[in-house]
Formats: sequence, structure tokens, C-alpha cells
Amino acid sequence: AQSVTQPDIHITVSEGASLELRCNYSYGATPYLFWYVQSPGQGLQLLLKYFSGDTLVQGIKGFEAEFKRSQSSFNLRKPSVHWSDAAEYFCAVGENYGGATNKLIFGTGTLLAVQP
Amino acid sequence: EAGVVQSPRYKIIEKKQPVAFWCNPISGHNTLYWYRQNLGQGPELLIRYENEEAVDDSQLPKDRFSAERLKGVDSTLKIQPAELGDSAVYLCASSLDRINGQGATGELFFGEGSRLTVL
Repeated sequence: AQSVTQPDIHITVSEGASLELRCNYSYGATPYLFWYVQSPGQGLQLLLKYFSGDTLVQGIKGFEAEFKRSQSSFNLRKPSVHWSDAAEYFCAVGENYGGATNKLIFGTGTLLAVQP
Repeated sequence: EAGVVQSPRYKIIEKKQPVAFWCNPISGHNTLYWYRQNLGQGPELLIRYENEEAVDDSQLPKDRFSAERLKGVDSTLKIQPAELGDSAVYLCASSLDRINGQGATGELFFGEGSRLTVL
């Protein structure tokens, strides 16, 4: 069965420091991978997605992620964190329904705190 | 363009009471989802609609949960009777599937959620 693992429940970084959030997936075929961000009391917002092609994907708010098939990973990175990045981050893998990718399986999330 | 709208944002009820949540997806989006998010967890799919048809309800607890999407637009999720373990945030999302067989973009647009507390 498809699954997503986010090994870090909480991460605290200093403002201006670099960030890497880990995501590992289990999927039989080529996965469709996503990162969503959720601010307190808000819905989820898509940061970026990988379907195929270049394994380094650029997203909104200065985030990027790299797909590594050999490691079954899709880690999220940002070179310099801003206080407004404090939120919960979810990695998700899309199940393929005849070409559609609409059923997302989410990880348990990583809560990011940013120190001034 | 308006996003996915959900109501109510918060609901507190006693166990065994019924509760209903409403979702208005983004205009033109043909696929609608209900997810449940327990505290400290990622969202889990309850049901997925393509237009008015429920195409995946395998994780919907059908003894107490029901959902409908009349006319393929708005949707309602109902719990009757509610149990303590139903306390969670219920998220609605919508997406636009490509209809030429090419598959969807995979981007789900989420509402702000309805937080349910069962006492």
C-alpha cells in the first residue's frame, strides 16, 4: 500500500537558517509527489509538486524539493527561513487513477517553529 | 476567484447528537473530496466525488457518516450519531480534472476546515 513517512514531528530553526524537511514514500510505480503547508486554523496550500521530468522542483515562497528515486525521498528545502514560514508541512503521494492523481495520501506532518 | 468555502468553522456538540458540514467548491471544479484530520495527523480521505457520483467512499464509516453532492456542486457531510472519536477537523477540497483523458493536475484546493468537538 502507498504510504508517506515524515520522520521529523517538530523542527526548530533560526530565522535566516537553511531548512530541510524529510519525506519518504512507498509507492509501486512512479509517484506523483506533493508538499502542502498548513498555517494554524487554515486549510492546506500547495507549495510544489512533482510529476515527471526534472527531479528538482521549484515551488512558491522560495521552497524547492528534490525527487530521489533511489532513496524514495522527496525532501523539501529552503535556503533561508523567514518567521512567516512557521507552520505545519505535509508531504503527500498521489494515487494514480487511470492518469488522474487526485487521491492524496498524506504524511503525518512536520511542525516547523522559527526562532528569531 | 473565491476559494473552497466550508461551514461551520467550529461546532461543539454532545455525543449522540447529529452534525452536518457544508462545502462549496471552487466554481467549475468537478471533483470534490472530504478529508478528516485528527489532531497531530495528516488528512485522511473519507470520500471523493466526480460530479455527483461518489467514486471512492471506501474509508467512510457508513454506519454513521453520510455524504451527498446534489447537482454536482455543493456537498454535505453528515454524522449521526456523533461519537467522541469523531472530534477532528473535516476538510473539503476540490480539483479540476482534465476531461480529455490526460489526467488531472493533482492540485487539490482546500477549504479552511470545520473543527468538530464532541463532548
